[in-house]
Amino acid sequence: DVKVTQSSRYLVKRTGEKVFLECVQDMDHENMFWYRQDPGLGLRLIYFSYDVKMKEKGDIPEGYSVSREKKERFSLILESASTNQTSMYLCASSLTGGDTQYFGPGTRLTVL
Amino acid sequence: GESVGLHLPTLSVQEGDNSIINCAYSNSASDYFIWYKQESGKGPQFIIDIRSNMDKRQGQRVTVLLNKTVKHLSLQIAATQPGDSAVYFCADGTPDSSYKLIFGSGTRLLVRP
Repeated sequence: DVKVTQSSRYLVKRTGEKVFLECVQDMDHENMFWYRQDPGLGLRLIYFSYDVKMKEKGDIPEGYSVSREKKERFSLILESASTNQTSMYLCASSLTGGDTQYFGPGTRLTVL
Repeated sequence: GESVGLHLPTLSVQEGDNSIINCAYSNSASDYFIWYKQESGKGPQFIIDIRSNMDKRQGQRVTVLLNKTVKHLSLQIAATQPGDSAVYFCADGTPDSSYKLIFGSGTRLLVRP
């Protein structure tokens, strides 16, 4: 079974803090993705990576950055957290482009 | 851009009945379709997928039907159980998008005991 894990299930941060969300997959997948999920807005793609050290902006990259130093790990960084970044953050991975994406359990981030 | 939508935001069914969840997509170039199930507080879970060279695919208690003529996708769940209560959403991908899937907003399935 594909296993995608995320470092935290719940996280509470203060405005202006730097926030790191970690995602690890154990299936040697090429592609990894970060989404946020908000009520009424569905899943929105923040960033994705198709190889180590490679990244592409998704639909809503503003206020976020990512890092992929190793194939199995994809990090989402909020340089200076703001209250409008309170959301459920979901990481996913897929073997190749256009393949099924498998999701982690999600991190519910609250920014106060 | 193109989007995937759902006809019904909430579907309520009796335990033991069959459920049908519908999805309309707008991009005629879409060639890959996936259904996910998301329980409260959890990440989406892959259920079943289908490629555009097929019009039907079956899994365990689930069937996905694809009608490319009217750009419609459906998920059928046989003998619906309380554990099937969740939000279901579809997603589609196209060859030129390579990596990105377009997700629908979801349908909530409620199973009445």
